[in-house]
Order: sequence, then C-alpha cells, then structure tokens
Amino acid sequence: AQSVSQHNHHVILSEAASLELGCNYSYGGTVNLFWYVQYPGQHLQLLLKYFSGDPLVKGIKGFEAEFIKSKFSFNLRKPSVQWSDTAEYFCAVNPDTNAGKSTFGDGTTLTVKP
Amino acid sequence: DVKVTQSSRYLVKRTGEKVFLECVQDMDHENMFWYRQDPGLGLRLIYFSYDVKMKEKGDIPEGYSVSREKKERFSLILESASTNQTSMYLCASSFRDSPGDTQYFGPGTRLTVL
Repeated sequence: AQSVSQHNHHVILSEAASLELGCNYSYGGTVNLFWYVQYPGQHLQLLLKYFSGDPLVKGIKGFEAEFIKSKFSFNLRKPSVQWSDTAEYFCAVNPDTNAGKSTFGDGTTLTVKP
Repeated sequence: DVKVTQSSRYLVKRTGEKVFLECVQDMDHENMFWYRQDPGLGLRLIYFSYDVKMKEKGDIPEGYSVSREKKERFSLILESASTNQTSMYLCASSFRDSPGDTQYFGPGTRLTVL
C-alpha cells in the first residue's frame, strides 16, 4: 500500500516569507498527486494537482508544486505568504490503478503571523 | 459548483447508541468516501463506494458500516458508538474511472461520543 509523508507538522512564518512544504510518497507506479487546503472553518478544497504533463503545476492563490519522480516528491511552494494562507495543508497520492482512492498525509498546519 | 452536504455539523451521542451520518452530493459522482480526521493523523479512509450498493473497506473500517441505496447519498453507520469514535467525519465524492479527478468534500460532522 502506498504511504504519504509530510515532513513538517506545524510551520510558523511571518508575512512575505517564502514557503516550502515537503511531501514524499512511496509507490513505484504512475501516480496522481494533490495538495488540498483547509482554511479555518471551511471545507477541505483542492489547491492544485498533478496527473500528467508539466511537472511544475500552479494552483490557486499563487501556490505551485513540483513533481520530482526520481525523488518521489511533490513539494508545495509559495514565494511570499500572506496572513490569509493560515490553514492546514494535506498532500495526497492516488495511484493510477486505484479507482479514485487517495492516501492522505498527516497534514501540515501553517500559521502566518501578520 | 459541486455541493457535498452532510446532515449535521455537530452531533453528541452516548456510548452504545446507533449513529447515522448522512452525506448527499449533487454532481452525479460515482465515487463517494467517508473519512475521519484526527489531529496529527490526517484523513483516514473508512469506507469507499464506487457505485450504488457497492462498497469497499478503507483503512479503518472496524466499528463502522455504510449504505448506498441511491447514487447521490452515502450513509455512515456506527452500530454501537464508542468514545474512541469521537472525531471529525468528512464525506467526499468524485468521478469514477478518473484517478486524477478532484475529490469534493463536505463541511464535516464533529461527533462527540460520551
């Protein structure tokens, strides 16, 4: 079974700092990769996803992630965070053979200080 | 916009009670999911359904059952609630046969078992 590892459980940044959240997965075949975000009091929603093509994908609110197949990684980045980025971020992986079932990481809570 | 609704935002039940959590989606999605979300543990899949009356166990099915009599509705049943089932329960849905597709989540039900 595949697994997903998010390296940081809690990250605290000041506004305008750069962000990188790590995500590694264990699965040898073709995968689809996702970052979901849960803002305080809101539904979990998609931030961005990779399923084919350009390994650098861009999502909402200035976020991007790079799929590095050789490293089994899909790290999330943002050059300059805002207070409104305070949220919990989840990485998820879905092997192509898995009929829609995703495995989620444990989540990273990001707190951005104004 | 896809809408996934859950019957209750907050629920308090007593140990031993039978508990029903209902989820409805309006996008004609084949796949529906039940997760529980606990701090530091991310999202863990309880059950998955890929069609009416079809279901598969997820990672933590013990103590739970599900029902899918109609395409748009997926119910999670706790036959005899226990205190270790106190958690946030999330429902999600997605299209089948498209592993790269996004999962759409409901607002969650916070269940407390006393």
